[in-house]
Amino acid sequence: KAGVTQTPRYLIKTRGQQVTLSCSPISGHRSVSWYQQTPGQGLQFLFEYFSETQRNKGNFPGRFSGRQFSNSRSEMNVSTLELGDSALYLCASSLGPAEAFFGQGTRLTVV
Amino acid sequence: KQEVTQIPAALSVPEGENLVLNCSFTDSAIYNLQWFRQDPGKGLTSLLLIQSSQREQTSGRLNASLDKSSGRSTLYIAASQPGDSATYLCAGATGANNLFFGTGTRLTVIP
Repeated sequence: KAGVTQTPRYLIKTRGQQVTLSCSPISGHRSVSWYQQTPGQGLQFLFEYFSETQRNKGNFPGRFSGRQFSNSRSEMNVSTLELGDSALYLCASSLGPAEAFFGQGTRLTVV
Repeated sequence: KQEVTQIPAALSVPEGENLVLNCSFTDSAIYNLQWFRQDPGKGLTSLLLIQSSQREQTSGRLNASLDKSSGRSTLYIAASQPGDSATYLCAGATGANNLFFGTGTRLTVIP
């Protein structure tokens, strides 16, 4: 069974640009969550999608948004990038409120 | 808001030693508690999941316990090996697929 796939693995963007990250969950998993990991703040919850609907949202500015498609794949978008957005972005999928499985992450560097 | 603390922040042990990692959380209304392993620059690997109705879970050399009343979980690693060197993270889920992570314990096992 394939795991959670995140693309791309690495990204370098310039301040002010926008970026879109993609996450393909494990087959059959309908819940996809996104997290930001930085050395200073650790792992922080961004948002969760279930059946194309955002169910939960963390404490991040509106520049961070996401969506989920009918095949459960999810995308995360960050607009007007800031230097502080440099982080490892992790996606997790789960089968309902149970064990979460994470992808390898997308390393975003904003210069 | 759920807050998760992990002690110690770093731990260095000789190969073969048994060790305990600690995790404490403030909100006892957690749905489950999950332990993860993270290698540098990589995603999270799920190690053990303990449902709120359970007291412990075991997988190979790993044993995790959960005491909701005291807000604590421990991860016991038996006969540590150099390959166990990684950062270990605990995370509590509060019903929805929204994990609150601790800051992690960086483990080094010395050959």
